[in-house]
Amino acid sequence: DAGVTQSPTHLIKTRGQQVTLRCSPKSGHDTVSWYQQALGQGPQFIFQYYEEEERQRGNFPDRFSGHQFPNYSSELNVNALLLGDSALYLCASSLYQSPLHFGNGTRLTVT
Amino acid sequence: AQSVAQPEDQVNVAEGNPLTVKCTYSVSGNPYLFWYVQYPNRGLQFLLKYITGDNLVKGSYGFEAEFNKSQTSFHLKKPSALVSDSALYFCAVRDIPAGGSYIPTFGRGTSLIVHP
Repeated sequence: DAGVTQSPTHLIKTRGQQVTLRCSPKSGHDTVSWYQQALGQGPQFIFQYYEEEERQRGNFPDRFSGHQFPNYSSELNVNALLLGDSALYLCASSLYQSPLHFGNGTRLTVT
Repeated sequence: AQSVAQPEDQVNVAEGNPLTVKCTYSVSGNPYLFWYVQYPNRGLQFLLKYITGDNLVKGSYGFEAEFNKSQTSFHLKKPSALVSDSALYFCAVRDIPAGGSYIPTFGRGTSLIVHP
């Protein structure tokens, strides 16, 4: 049973560019959440998708957007990248009130 | 609003000794509490949760956590530490009001170092 898979594992981008990160949830899960984890910090909630709709959003600017597809997979898009966007981006899936299951993340470096 | 605090950035313990990683929380309703572990270059891995019931919760890899409502704490414990337990540990809390958010808030993490 595959867990949460994220791609790519590492990414290097230049300031001002745009990036798309991808996530496939654990089998049977219908909810996908995205978190940003800066070095030495805990995960910060970006947004959550359920039934292809953004259900809740954290304190992140509109440069951060997402999408959920009918097969429950999800994308995180970040526009106009800033140096401060460099972080580990974690995708987590869940079913109703079950605990979050995390992928291994995508390490984004903005130069 | 919900929040969680992990007062120690780092905990050092000798292999074979008991370990405790501290967590305190703040919620407006009843808490739904979690512990996760993160190994280098990996995502977070679920260890255990508390919703209701017995204050001592048992989880994966021999870990357990004690819920204390009066002290608003949820400390992670293990009777005998292993070198392989060395990792980053995150406490998380979710408020459970009626119709509330399903989004947990995470602490900053505590680095556990177990010395041989």
